[in-house]
Amino acid sequence: SAVISQKPSRDICQRGTSLTIQCQVDSQVTMMFWYRQQPGQSLTLIATANQGSEATYESGFVIDKFPISRPNLTFSTLTVSNMSPEDSSIYLCSVQDINQPQHFGDGTRLSIL
Amino acid sequence: QKEVEQDPGPLSVPEGAIVSLNCTYSNSAFQYFMWYRQYSRKGPELLMYTYSSGNKEDGRFTAQVDKSSKYISLFIRDSQPSDSATYLCAMSRQGGSEKLVFGKGTKLTVNP
Repeated sequence: SAVISQKPSRDICQRGTSLTIQCQVDSQVTMMFWYRQQPGQSLTLIATANQGSEATYESGFVIDKFPISRPNLTFSTLTVSNMSPEDSSIYLCSVQDINQPQHFGDGTRLSIL
Repeated sequence: QKEVEQDPGPLSVPEGAIVSLNCTYSNSAFQYFMWYRQYSRKGPELLMYTYSSGNKEDGRFTAQVDKSSKYISLFIRDSQPSDSATYLCAMSRQGGSEKLVFGKGTKLTVNP
């Protein structure tokens, strides 16, 4: 399966600031997704990153708060904007090829002070 | 009712025990079922991937799907301390380009 690298692996940020998380894959993949994993909660899909077009957001997530880019088939970024303590979470990138299961990166552990 | 229910545990067993992990779901449209293992400070790692009802075996791991009961299981035989992790069930309606719906995960500890 593809090797997925996420950067940064962890960060501590001040409220009101923004952080951009990068996801790099070692091969071209059809689909890239961004999930959030909050303590005691299920992994939840934020959005599907579409190459060359706007991401598709799930209910409860909006582009102004979580802008996403996907300039090519191996790279995507997620920005967490105007952060508050409620945004403290693990953010995970996953990738998928046609008729294959999703594979995940190791995530970005984000704490907001 | 949540779409996917999974007992969060924690579950603690002695080395060598047979472990049974389970999830129930409410959406009868789910057709693809997965089990992921997540070690501390790591991302979910795919363990088993099954389509529709039936059993699938891979080494010490067996996945079962009973669509009539909306119930899936993961069995771990001869459990090892290295199996200590959180196990996440996930499912989707389609096999590709479809979001996964996860359970909350069950934390397993295998004691030597």
